[in-house]
Amino acid sequence: ELKVEQNPLFLSMQEGKNYTIYCNYSTTSDRLYWYRQDPGKSLESLFVLLSNGAVKQEGRLMASLDTKARLSTLHITAAVHDLSATYFCAVIIQGAQKLVFGQGTRLTINP
Amino acid sequence: NAGVTQTPKFQVLKTGQSMTLQCAQDMNHNSMYWYRQDPGMGLRLIYYSASEGTTDKGEVPNGYNVSRLNKREFSLRLESAAPSQTSVYFCASRETGTGREKLFFGSGTQLSVL
Repeated sequence: ELKVEQNPLFLSMQEGKNYTIYCNYSTTSDRLYWYRQDPGKSLESLFVLLSNGAVKQEGRLMASLDTKARLSTLHITAAVHDLSATYFCAVIIQGAQKLVFGQGTRLTINP
Repeated sequence: NAGVTQTPKFQVLKTGQSMTLQCAQDMNHNSMYWYRQDPGMGLRLIYYSASEGTTDKGEVPNGYNVSRLNKREFSLRLESAAPSQTSVYFCASRETGTGREKLFFGSGTQLSVL
């Protein structure tokens, strides 16, 4: 059974600081997604990582995938208040279509 | 472009009532999904469909049924609603085989079972 675990689950940080959210998963996969969700809204796609060693960056966010370690990271550089949201990773079992989400990381960025 | 359309957006049911949540996508995607999200929690997979005419159970399928009669539509049915099914339901569809594999979400259905 595929399990996806994020940590931390809650993160409060100051503007201007750097931090990393971790996403671990329990079975072989080579496709991983990162999503953002604002309160009361649907999910917004951030990154799709399709291979080992994939790295993608958009503004202050950078995501990477290590399929051998079964680990993805979402790195936040010089955080700003607008990045406050809940961030989810999601993983597809290799060779299948089942897509499982992590619990989410609620990120609060304080001025 | 409509993307993924869910109806209704809000619904209140009494315990024991039945209803169907509708989801349609206009992107010609093969894979479609139904998730539920409870307050302060992540998304849990209810059912998914890899292609037209096929469906598979996810993490929390009990109390639900699904139907994928054509490529465009994937419906979720609650036969006898229970208070534990109060949640926000999201439908999603996914590109496959394009090298992009992006997942698109609907706007959600907020369901309350009294």
